[in-house]
Amino acid sequence: EPEVTQTPSHQVTQMGQEVILRCVPISNHLYFYWYRQILGQKVEFLVSFYNNEISEKSEIFDDQFSVERPDGSNFTLKIRSTKLEDSAMYFCASSRDRRSDFSITEAFFGQGTRLTVV
Amino acid sequence: KQEVTQIPAALSVPEGENLVLNCSFTDSAIYNLQWFRQDPGKGLTSLLLIQSSQREQTSGRLNASLDKSSGRSTLYIAASQPGDSATYLCAVTPYGGATNKLIFGTGTLLAVQP
Repeated sequence: EPEVTQTPSHQVTQMGQEVILRCVPISNHLYFYWYRQILGQKVEFLVSFYNNEISEKSEIFDDQFSVERPDGSNFTLKIRSTKLEDSAMYFCASSRDRRSDFSITEAFFGQGTRLTVV
Repeated sequence: KQEVTQIPAALSVPEGENLVLNCSFTDSAIYNLQWFRQDPGKGLTSLLLIQSSQREQTSGRLNASLDKSSGRSTLYIAASQPGDSATYLCAVTPYGGATNKLIFGTGTLLAVQP
């Protein structure tokens, strides 16, 4: 069964360093998302991406974050200068269709990357 | 602003019991509602998706209902098993966004005792 894969599963980085989290969405999906979950808190939407550009982003997704689809398969989240409060589980998701009352828009999630900033 | 709440926050039941998890949302303008399972330190596994025009969905021992007008959804788990122990999350896709972003609830931590 197709699945969303994320690498690495766990990354430890020093404060101020740049990190790149990688995701391979399901191959026939067109919409890609990043979410994060700080320990003990809700899963929060960061950004959605369609047709090689950002479609929607939350207030959390500030200038230190960027997303890219460098080739036909990978989808990356870059954090330029990590802070302690960026420590969280980061989830990538993809869906086949866009929002519609009549289409299936089920989101499939990867296993997550646990980012620890020290 | 859409808020999603789940009750109870935690639940412990003996194996074999039927149980109901509750999800409520403040704005009924949604495209769909999705239930997920999250195992400790792991990703999110989609269990059921209910479109706004539907009232319920079933998959095996799971049944999810949606009452959009009252802003409520329930996840019914029949004949619970220890393997059902996990955190269950509900999430809605609100109208008005450019894409299918999900707004998540607080989760219910379920423990099924053997």
